[in-house]
Amino acid sequence: RKEVEQDPGPFNVPEGATVAFNCTYSNSASQSFFWYRQDCRKEPKLLMSVYSSGNEDGRFTAQLNRASQYISLLIRDSKLSDSATYLCVVESYNTDKLIFGTGTRLQVFP
Amino acid sequence: DVKVTQSSRYLVKRTGEKVFLECVQDMDHENMFWYRQDPGLGLRLIYFSYDVKMKEKGDIPEGYSVSREKKERFSLILESASTNQTSMYLCASSTTVMNTEAFFGQGTRLTVV
Repeated sequence: RKEVEQDPGPFNVPEGATVAFNCTYSNSASQSFFWYRQDCRKEPKLLMSVYSSGNEDGRFTAQLNRASQYISLLIRDSKLSDSATYLCVVESYNTDKLIFGTGTRLQVFP
Repeated sequence: DVKVTQSSRYLVKRTGEKVFLECVQDMDHENMFWYRQDPGLGLRLIYFSYDVKMKEKGDIPEGYSVSREKKERFSLILESASTNQTSMYLCASSTTVMNTEAFFGQGTRLTVV
């Protein structure tokens, strides 16, 4: 089983839609969680960290469910500029190794 | 402005050649990483270094080695390049503080012919 799993998509949604991505991780001792965004032919960049209490940044909301070992990302009021690949990232317990999911591709259309 | 710089954007090498990919960061980060990214497989960790001269294998270390002689520089070495090592290679760095961002270089597209 992969350490971090995501649905690869693509998710094709119209502008203004709400879309949600989930990601599961296998190591229950994992300590830190992130969502990164990667645009075509660019390097990944941090979108947001994911905290146990959940966190929100504008139209983006991230949630962590430790009991079920999954992380979610909700994007409200999608914009064309949200089109990208969203990468779920887990930091291994007791090391600083960052393990990436394969990414979920989002395409927002007019 | 924080920076992770990879020595080449595009590289073409022949099968059997020894290949060096260099990565330099200017943020005094302890951790440095080498990943390869392939369609459908995402980013896979090749090697990780948490300090000078310290390294750990990632998920796919076979065919690769690394060197970290100075804190700011992390080199990936392909001892004898093969066509299945054609890929996008990404270097990243981060601090040891929890929940902090990892910064990536722009990537090196390596083609082995």
